[in-house]
Amino acid sequence: ETGVTQSPTHLIKTRGQQVTLRCSSQSGHNTVSWYQQALGQGPQFIFQYYREEENGRGNFPPRFSGLQFPNYSSELNVNALELDDSALYLCASSWGRTEHGELFFGEGSRLTVL
Amino acid sequence: GENVEQHPSTLSVQEGDSAVIKCTYSDSASNYFPWYKQELGKRPQLIIDIRSNVGEKKDQRIAVTLNKTAKHFSLHITETQPEDSAVYFCAASIRRNAGNMLTFGGGTRLMVKP
Repeated sequence: ETGVTQSPTHLIKTRGQQVTLRCSSQSGHNTVSWYQQALGQGPQFIFQYYREEENGRGNFPPRFSGLQFPNYSSELNVNALELDDSALYLCASSWGRTEHGELFFGEGSRLTVL
Repeated sequence: GENVEQHPSTLSVQEGDSAVIKCTYSDSASNYFPWYKQELGKRPQLIIDIRSNVGEKKDQRIAVTLNKTAKHFSLHITETQPEDSAVYFCAASIRRNAGNMLTFGGGTRLMVKP
């Protein structure tokens, strides 16, 4: 059984650029959630995908968008990067759309916006 | 939306002592409350969770209590060990039966001194 993997692990962008982060879910999981974790803070829910459809969204602007693919892997895209987008982006996979269950997190992608 | 407050932000205890971390939530519709542990530079991992139909749950040295009326829940760690040193996050489901969409607290950095 493979765990959640994310790429890239680190990246640096400049303000106004666009970024794509990738996540492979844990084997057998069909739900992927994305969280933003600023330094010294708790993760903030961005959105969730279940079977290729957006299933829920947190308080993030439309320039944060995502995709889920038939193999349940996922992408997070952020357009028009701002300095405040600098953070650790965590992907988490789980089973089911609304189950109360464990989130399995990846190691994260650390984005720095200059 | 749901708001989760967590206290204290830092906690230092002597090895063998107990540690208590407290959280409050705002949305009475939330019905799932997990706790995650994040060691330095690593991914968050679930350590214990509780559903709203239960008042207390225990797993070896870790216990969680929930007071639905007051909308607060707490993590109790007994007989602390140096390996318990980490950041602990409480969380609440963003709405009823959305257990894998979470609002996290700001975190508590626990330091266990040998």
